[in-house]
Amino acid sequence: ETGVTQSPTHLIKTRGQQVTLRCSSQSGHNTVSWYQQALGQGPQFIFQYYREEENGRGNFPPRFSGLQFPNYSSELNVNALELDDSALYLCASSLGTQRGNEQFFGPGTRLTVL
Amino acid sequence: AQKITQTQPGMFVQEKEAVTLDCTYDTSDQSYGLFWYKQPSSGEMIFLIYQGSYDEQNATEGRYSLNFQKARKSANLVISASQLGDSAMYFCAMREDSNNAGNMLTFGGGTRLMVKP
Repeated sequence: ETGVTQSPTHLIKTRGQQVTLRCSSQSGHNTVSWYQQALGQGPQFIFQYYREEENGRGNFPPRFSGLQFPNYSSELNVNALELDDSALYLCASSLGTQRGNEQFFGPGTRLTVL
Repeated sequence: AQKITQTQPGMFVQEKEAVTLDCTYDTSDQSYGLFWYKQPSSGEMIFLIYQGSYDEQNATEGRYSLNFQKARKSANLVISASQLGDSAMYFCAMREDSNNAGNMLTFGGGTRLMVKP
């Protein structure tokens, strides 16, 4: 158990809808990263938040957005859902953004878009 | 070009034997880190081992060791004395220290390891 929790565990949406996924980081961790893992593939970096500010972004369109709250928990929002958004969404927390700060992953939210 | 390549989609190993999972990487950074994660069917990514690009010795963590060959840009994971609970997906990942996204990880496509009793 890493202490990183995500909700919900599973979610089913239809194309065009909007979804919010939540992540509670490990106690004391101020950095949260989000990853998308399509079936049969490795995770892909979406973005990272450090002290409530976006600190880097992968190759994802603007309809993927996020927030980090003062308690360092985080949300991932996806608008105008597409079928290809079906994936496991993983969040990872760490203390700071420097190298050597190990990332601890949550169990993920499995999103299905119909 | 792929930054992280794992050429073995699936591997079988007999219980109690050792197994090597391959990983090659591509970066122009001098400073980077290499990671291995285990992902059981539950989905959670479990950190196994880390190797920094400047570390001169190969990393070891219990039954896990990382065979780091910098000139070949390979970072193979060796699991000794395989156990049934080792059956899972294994991912190699890299953090490049020049990028602006903090400690962003780039993952390979994974290797599914199956341990036979």
